[in-house]
Amino acid sequence: KAGVTQTPRYLIKTRGQQVTLSCSPISGHRSVSWYQQTPGQGLQFLFEYFSETQRNKGNFPGRFSGRQFSNSRSEMNVSTLELGDSALYLCASTLVGGNTGELFFGEGSRLTVL
Amino acid sequence: GQNIDQPTEMTATEGAIVQINCTYQTSGFNGLFWYQQHAGEAPTFLSYNVLDGLEEKGRFSSFLSRSKGYSYLLLKELQMKDSASYLCAVSSGGSYIPTFGRGTSLIVHP
Repeated sequence: KAGVTQTPRYLIKTRGQQVTLSCSPISGHRSVSWYQQTPGQGLQFLFEYFSETQRNKGNFPGRFSGRQFSNSRSEMNVSTLELGDSALYLCASTLVGGNTGELFFGEGSRLTVL
Repeated sequence: GQNIDQPTEMTATEGAIVQINCTYQTSGFNGLFWYQQHAGEAPTFLSYNVLDGLEEKGRFSSFLSRSKGYSYLLLKELQMKDSASYLCAVSSGGSYIPTFGRGTSLIVHP
């Protein structure tokens, strides 16, 4: 069974640009969550999508947005990039109704903003 | 909101036992997770505690006390490959999406 796939794995952008990251969940998983990971703040929750609807949202500015498609694939977008947006962006999928709610993480997309 | 505290870094010797503590403050507790993350890799699930007590899984065990807002992850017979970051995470309220602590970096030396 294929795991969670994130693309691209690495990317470099400059301030003011925008970026779109993609996540393909494990087959059958309909919930997709996004996290930002930095050395100083750890893993911080961005948002969660289920059945193409944003169900939960963290405390990030409106520059961070996302969406989910009918096949459960998800994208997140960051507009007007700032230096502080440099981070590892992790996507996780979960089987809703599973016993533990275990999150299955992708390898992440490492964004560097110059 | 939630407040999750765990030590930033710990060191231990190969073959020894180490206990990584996690304290949390939350309302409407649902469950507590432990994840392991090796450098440059994705976090992977280790354990999930809902009820008080100890859950054992091979060399790893996780303990929960809901009344004290306290959990620990116990690693026995440490191996070099156990060097990683260990993340404590709590889900609460109406959402099962966990909030993560900043992680404990464990260094295992020979």
